[in-house]
Amino acid sequence: DAMVIQNPRYQVTQFGKPVTLSCSQTLNHNVMYWYQQKSSQAPKLLFHYYDKDFNNEADTPDNFQSRRPNTSFCFLDIRSPGLGDAAMYLCATSTASGSGANVLTFGAGSRLTVL
Amino acid sequence: GQNIDQPTEMTATEGAIVQINCTYQTSGFNGLFWYQQHAGEAPTFLSYNVLDGLEEKGRFSSFLSRSKGYSYLLLKELQMKDSASYLCAVKDSNYQLIWGAGTKLIIKP
Repeated sequence: DAMVIQNPRYQVTQFGKPVTLSCSQTLNHNVMYWYQQKSSQAPKLLFHYYDKDFNNEADTPDNFQSRRPNTSFCFLDIRSPGLGDAAMYLCATSTASGSGANVLTFGAGSRLTVL
Repeated sequence: GQNIDQPTEMTATEGAIVQINCTYQTSGFNGLFWYQQHAGEAPTFLSYNVLDGLEEKGRFSSFLSRSKGYSYLLLKELQMKDSASYLCAVKDSNYQLIWGAGTKLIIKP
């Protein structure tokens, strides 16, 4: 089945210790997104890629970086995690940005705990 | 600023009908989405409305009134598995998705 796969599902790190979360997709979608979601809050868009074009949200902290080495993979790097970065990180894909439904398909998420 | 308002929590009884409302104030409108999110899991797509009116899909229906900046999700014949959060999201004039915080729906036997 075509899908969006995130690894790891659960990540525990220490304050300030870098973390990399990965996302892969077999849907052949152009657009890939990284969202941060804290408990009972709306998902917050961190970045998105349209093919290789990188789009950084204005309020995404510099502590967060992203890479998309090819159309199937995307990585989220948190350079120095703080306690406030503990959250669920959701990867999503869609066929295109702009007009049309562009339904998002989400991965199962990576839950980050910072000690 | 842009804003999506949904009730924080609702409770309903198994077998009943529940309506979850969403009001929005966004810079432009290019469609409204409803997603279901079970606790600790990723959101999954339920419905999309871009024109006024009702879209029906099995036990779930979604309604849109663009003039009122209003939508609702109607769930019929509630089942225990419908216990989840329901997220409303609007695509604005820049085709960016603005998300609500979600409505936690609790189903009681």
